Amino acid sequence: DIQMTQSPSSLSASMGDRLTLTCRASQDISNSLAWFQQKPGKAPKLLLFAASRLESGVPSRFSGGGSGSDYTLTISGLQPEDFATYYCQQYSTTPYTFGQGTKVEIK
Amino acid sequence: QDQLVQSGGEVKKPGASVKVSCKSSGHTFTGYGFNWVRQAPGQGLEWMGWISAHSGDTTYEQRLQGRVTMTADTSTNTVYMELRSLRSDDTAVYYCTRDISDYWGQGTLVIVSS
Repeated sequence: DIQMTQSPSSLSASMGDRLTLTCRASQDISNSLAWFQQKPGKAPKLLLFAASRLESGVPSRFSGGGSGSDYTLTISGLQPEDFATYYCQQYSTTPYTFGQGTKVEIK
Repeated sequence: QDQLVQSGGEVKKPGASVKVSCKSSGHTFTGYGFNWVRQAPGQGLEWMGWISAHSGDTTYEQRLQGRVTMTADTSTNTVYMELRSLRSDDTAVYYCTRDISDYWGQGTLVIVSS
């Protein structure tokens, strides 16, 4: 199975901050990576797919990058509604494994 | 409007089975595959498996092999996930998602308790 490792596990940030979350796969996943945002008690929401393609309706302050086995999610100008947990998922090879999540909290 | 609507929460005893449904609307059902993802209380997301609504082909997480069955009913645009021999660590919210998980059901809480 492909292992997905997210870092950091949690962080504290302030409104307006620029954040970069990272996701590392245990092998090359050829950009078959999605990022999700989850708020308490809610289903996750797709933010980006194919590593860098923004899902329709998602604000442009979210961006994704990377290649091979290393990927990033950047939030440029943190907004109050962005405080949540973020997960990456590889869909290169089944099982389509998730990272353990990064919780973004208010400083 | 594309939508996935799941069945209601369940409470089951250890050893029992549960079958969760996910009704799809607003798009061509057989044009998609569907995933099942679960989340134990306070934990992360776990992918359980995938089913093609067109062919019925499935692939399951190896650790669930033998306990899980996913099916698709094209007459009602509904996918199902059945989990057998339930254990306490199967307590979780179960989600269905479409393809790359651009759409999610609202989640179904399954509690396994004696």
